[in-house]
Amino acid sequence: QVQLVESGGGVVQPGGSLRLSCAASGFSFRSCAMHWVRQAPGKGLEWVAIVSYDAANEYHADSVEGRFTISRDNSQNTLYLQMNSLRPEDTAVYYCAKGGRLSNTAFDFWGQGTMVTVSS
Amino acid sequence: AIRMTQSPSSFSASTGDRVTISCRASQGVSSYLAWYQQKPGKAPNLLIYAASTLQSGVPSRFSGSGSGTDFTLTISCLQSEDFATYYCQQYYSYPFTFGPGTKVDVK
Repeated sequence: QVQLVESGGGVVQPGGSLRLSCAASGFSFRSCAMHWVRQAPGKGLEWVAIVSYDAANEYHADSVEGRFTISRDNSQNTLYLQMNSLRPEDTAVYYCAKGGRLSNTAFDFWGQGTMVTVSS
Repeated sequence: AIRMTQSPSSFSASTGDRVTISCRASQGVSSYLAWYQQKPGKAPNLLIYAASTLQSGVPSRFSGSGSGTDFTLTISCLQSEDFATYYCQQYYSYPFTFGPGTKVDVK
């Protein structure tokens, strides 16, 4: 069965960095675009970034552009989100989500999420 | 960026009710529209994709319709496990955007 397991969350001071990971199993990871989506406490869903199945293309939301970088290692079936220059407004649960081979597909499986808290 | 709106933002309903949630895109998204259900403390779950295609394993009481800018999620006969928050999402163009959510709670 499809499994997505996020890790790497925690408490960090403003201006700090974190690297999130998402370990994938149960499907052909190298054939699927992958996403990060976040949800601030008590708020709605915010799409953060996408990386294409072959890592050739990536796109980030304006709110994280220049600070966050999505990447993947298809040999390790792992998705990453490098987060730098963190701000209090980046506090959220971060979910990885599976797309399809094409970038314009819905997110059919989600991980359980990892919490990131940015606070001094 | 394409802005997604939903109505209503919340409402109360009873089991057995027919429920309709609306979603509107600020510009056309063709049929690149998905609906997700989220329960407290859980990850979202895909219900509908391509505006009207039921995701595998999702009960047939859920249905979606629309194209372009106006979309609807319908639950034909609300069950106890359906009390949750529902989000629409466009995946037509970057940045992919979600609606603000519609919370369905118990009357």
